Amino acid sequence: ETGVTQSPTHLIKTRGQQVTLRCSSQSGHNTVSWYQQALGQGPQFIFQYYREEENGRGNFPPRFSGLQFPNYSSELNVNALELDDSALYLCASSLDRDEQYFGPGTRLTVT
Amino acid sequence: QKEVEQDPGPLSVPEGAIVSLNCTYSNSAFQYFMWYRQYSRKGPELLMYTYSSGNKEDGRFTAQVDKSSKYISLFIRDSQPSDSATYLCAMSAHNYGQNFVFGPGTRLSVLP
Repeated sequence: ETGVTQSPTHLIKTRGQQVTLRCSSQSGHNTVSWYQQALGQGPQFIFQYYREEENGRGNFPPRFSGLQFPNYSSELNVNALELDDSALYLCASSLDRDEQYFGPGTRLTVT
Repeated sequence: QKEVEQDPGPLSVPEGAIVSLNCTYSNSAFQYFMWYRQYSRKGPELLMYTYSSGNKEDGRFTAQVDKSSKYISLFIRDSQPSDSATYLCAMSAHNYGQNFVFGPGTRLSVLP
């Protein structure tokens, strides 16, 4: 059984640029949730995808968008990057929105 | 007032001590309560899950939920150096796995 994987591990971008983060869900899982974790803070829910449809969204602006593919892997896209977007981005997968398993995260730095 | 509050620590205890970690919350709609452990440079891993009020025990870990006081706790008995991590409480109103609200986390160090 393969766990949740995320790529890349680290990323440095400039303010105003766009970024795409990727998540491969655990084998057999059909739900992916994305979280933003600023340094010293708990994760904040961005959105969830269930069977390729957005299924809940937190308090994040529209420049945060996502996608889930037929194999249930997922992408998080962030446009017009701001300095405050610097954080650890976590992906969690689950089966039918049940217990979540987190990946190791992607560390994004915006300069 | 933040929706979920948690003492950020850091908390340092000697090996073998009983550790008490706590969260308070303001949203009375929360029904699902979780505790996660997060090691440095890793994603959170689920330790305990409780629905509504009550206690739940799993090995050295005990979770307590008091909805009337909007207060949840995690107790760790016989703490080990390998328990050194950040502990995050999380809660949800509607459905397990959706729209979690996390506390800021408490850093715990268990000293040998």
